[in-house]
Amino acid sequence: QSVLTQPPSASGTPGQTVTISCSGTNSNIGSNTVKWYQQVPGTAPKLLIYRSNQRPSGVPDRFSGSKSGTSASLAISGLQSEDEADYYCAAWDDSLNGSWVFGGGTKVTVL
Amino acid sequence: EVQLVESGGGLVQPGRSLRLSCITSGFTFDDYAMHWVRQAPGKGLEWVSGISWNNAGIRYADSVKGRFTISRDNAKKSLYLEMNSLRLEDMAVYYCAKGRGVVVRRDAFDMWGQGTMVTVSS
Repeated sequence: QSVLTQPPSASGTPGQTVTISCSGTNSNIGSNTVKWYQQVPGTAPKLLIYRSNQRPSGVPDRFSGSKSGTSASLAISGLQSEDEADYYCAAWDDSLNGSWVFGGGTKVTVL
Repeated sequence: EVQLVESGGGLVQPGRSLRLSCITSGFTFDDYAMHWVRQAPGKGLEWVSGISWNNAGIRYADSVKGRFTISRDNAKKSLYLEMNSLRLEDMAVYYCAKGRGVVVRRDAFDMWGQGTMVTVSS
């Protein structure tokens, strides 16, 4: 059971917009910024979004992040076949001694 | 080019020990926090441990606290994970990841190695 809650799957056709949600609590998303990672099966994860809505250089602007209260979301607009991957949200959790927590991951399928 | 290369994984019996290493290049190693993140077969990502740029801040996931020890050698630009009393549930691909900042708690993991597989089996 992951600390952050994501839907297990999402799908869309090429060109559509897919949105992935990430739900947490006051000790994690409510108090800290959210990160999003993309993982193509068989490869290492890649940072997509940091500070809830910032993109590292090289990440297309089709990817956007937002946060409100204890929830966050990742939107992929203009969906492309190469976007088919697993997506994970993450945040620092201030409870106890503190730790990084991840969502369970969302598998995005391009139909 | 930033590179993180993990090594040290392999097959180990429950209760035994293993030491993972991560050799880095392409960035100023001692300017950044470093982390270990693992992924069990077919499962999601789990943060294991992080260490600040100067060794002053170290954190562990509850699942490994007291069994795993993270360390770094800034002169060798290397990160380590000493794993003791290994359990079946520790079996995973272990990734070395670079933090965007100097401390463990604040910033994202912006570069990742390719991972090293740890198999725990009798």
